[in-house]
Amino acid sequence: EVQLVESGGGVVPPGGSLRLSCAAPGFTFEEYAMHWVRQAPGRGLEWVALITRDGGSTFHADSVRGRFTISRDISRNFLYLQMNNLRVEDTALYYCANESEKVFGYWGQGTRVTVSS
Amino acid sequence: DIVMTQSPATLSVSPGERATLSCRASQSVNNKLAWYQQKPGRAPRLLIYDAVTRATGIPTRFSGSGSETEFTLTISSLQSEDFAVYYCHQYNNWPRGNTFGQGTKLDFK
Repeated sequence: EVQLVESGGGVVPPGGSLRLSCAAPGFTFEEYAMHWVRQAPGRGLEWVALITRDGGSTFHADSVRGRFTISRDISRNFLYLQMNNLRVEDTALYYCANESEKVFGYWGQGTRVTVSS
Repeated sequence: DIVMTQSPATLSVSPGERATLSCRASQSVNNKLAWYQQKPGRAPRLLIYDAVTRATGIPTRFSGSGSETEFTLTISSLQSEDFAVYYCHQYNNWPRGNTFGQGTKLDFK
């Protein structure tokens, strides 16, 4: 079974930075495009970013473009999300997910990011 | 962005009954529509994609229908493990424009 494990969340002040990681042990990581999706407390789901299988192309939601950067290390089976200039509205549970048929096939359990002064 | 509107916000149903959840798109998404189930404290789980195709391992009591702007998720005979929040997701505008509905909570009547 596919396993995705996120880490790196925490509490940061507005303007701060965090780097989220997603480990994919035992998963044919290089076969899939990967995404970050977030869920703000008591709210729905919002797509954040995509990276293609080879890491050659990335896409970011308008709400995070210029502040967040998705990347991957294929040799280590890791996905990352570098988050800079964090805002209160970025507070959410962040999930990594693999892409299958243009949808989110498997999800990790999420890592929580809280932006607060 | 395409706005996805789910109804009702909460649906109260008894085990063994049929549940019908609706999702409407603000413009056509063709058949690029998925459904996810989320239980408290858990990650979402893919149920249906391309409007009608069940994901691997999903029981046959879950079925999707619809096209263009109107979609339905039907659970034919509710089991106790089906009480959860259900989200629709359009991916016609991929990837930047993909959007989710706000969810329908399915709970015990």
